[in-house]
Amino acid sequence: NAGVTQTPKFQVLKTGQSMTLQCAQDMNHNSMYWYRQDPGMGLRLIYYSASEGTTDKGEVPNGYNVSRLNKREFSLRLESAAPSQTSVYFCASSWTGWNTEAFFGQGTRLTVV
Amino acid sequence: DQQVKQNSPSLSVQEGRISILNCDYTNSMFDYFLWYKKYPAEGPTFLISISSIKDKNEDGRFTVFLNKSAKHLSLHIVPSQPGDSAVYFCAASDGSTSGTYKYIFGTGTRLKVLA
Repeated sequence: NAGVTQTPKFQVLKTGQSMTLQCAQDMNHNSMYWYRQDPGMGLRLIYYSASEGTTDKGEVPNGYNVSRLNKREFSLRLESAAPSQTSVYFCASSWTGWNTEAFFGQGTRLTVV
Repeated sequence: DQQVKQNSPSLSVQEGRISILNCDYTNSMFDYFLWYKKYPAEGPTFLISISSIKDKNEDGRFTVFLNKSAKHLSLHIVPSQPGDSAVYFCAASDGSTSGTYKYIFGTGTRLKVLA
């Protein structure tokens, strides 16, 4: 079982460059999420999607855009990367409901220089 | 402002003893709580959940306690094993209108279980 697959695993960008982080899940989950993890800050929610075609802002959405392309895929785009966006990015998916576990991808380590 | 706080960045425990990881929150509207475990270079994995209608939930070696009046929850691991060495995150949510719950995560506590 692939679960949640993120690509790429590592990326170095120059300030001002753009890129899209890809995420796909094969568990038929309705809900998908993008988080970033920074030292001393835990995981912070960037955007989430309750279903295909819907997206909502999380705690730290500025500087990011997302697309829920279909039920399987949820991409995160940085239009003009900044050093403050250096982080580890995690995509996750889950069924609906409060106690349904979210399954996380392995993460994308992004460095903006 | 951090709504979910894990004030102990790290904790060391002897194998076989109890590990107690604490989590405090400030938003009285939080009603749903989860714990996740994270190994290096991997995504977090779900451990256990609790809602505000309960004050305790057990799953094998893991028990979560909720004190809603104190806005405090704790995760107990008994007995602790070396494989439990990881970073533990608590997460809280105030509910959902769409069925998708936004969870706010704490900063994490690194547990080291000494053999």
